[in-house]
Amino acid sequence: GESVGLHLPTLSVQEGDNSIINCAYSNSASDYFIWYKQESGKGPQFIIDIRSNMDKRQGQRVTVLLNKTVKHLSLQIAATQPGDSAVYFCAETSNRDDKIIFGKGTRLHILP
Amino acid sequence: DAGITQSPRHKVTETGTPVTLRCHQTENHRYMYWYRQDPGHGLRLIHYSYGVKDTDKGEVSDGYSVSRSKTEDFLLTLESATSSQTSVYFCAISETGGRTEAFFGQGTRLTVV
Repeated sequence: GESVGLHLPTLSVQEGDNSIINCAYSNSASDYFIWYKQESGKGPQFIIDIRSNMDKRQGQRVTVLLNKTVKHLSLQIAATQPGDSAVYFCAETSNRDDKIIFGKGTRLHILP
Repeated sequence: DAGITQSPRHKVTETGTPVTLRCHQTENHRYMYWYRQDPGHGLRLIHYSYGVKDTDKGEVSDGYSVSRSKTEDFLLTLESATSSQTSVYFCAISETGGRTEAFFGQGTRLTVV
């Protein structure tokens, strides 16, 4: 079936380094992707999004890259800070329905 | 923060009893979603609504029903709760059916004993 997944369940990064979180998706009809951040005890919060007609989108300290050829999505966080410690999810929607489908998530752990 | 309220925030119930979770929004968004979150599974879509009285199934809809009688409220019902339905439940709203940012509630922790 259709799915969105992540390569690494846990990522440990030194404070100040850059973080890269990866996501693979299998639904070729997906045309909109979002990265969400979830802190402990809270609901997911929007970080950045990208549409399928784009390869790259930048926000404040975050960049999302989309490779449609290999159905791969990544989130880059520059100069990782302790406040970045959270679980990160990629999510996708397609042009066929209104479902928002999430991947399993990656926990980002910041080392001092 | 988007105006989304989930109630109750915590509930313990016995196996076989009916349970209803409520999601209330003040944003007048057309689309509403119910997810469950379990370790190792991330967020899985249970049901969603694309308008008043318009709902559809998600990935894990068995054992759950929903109702949306007005724009602001989306109810999730477990007709006969089972231990496998112990989870954290999140409601989300979207103005565009997932074509732009969705906003999430704080979650409801349900324990079925």
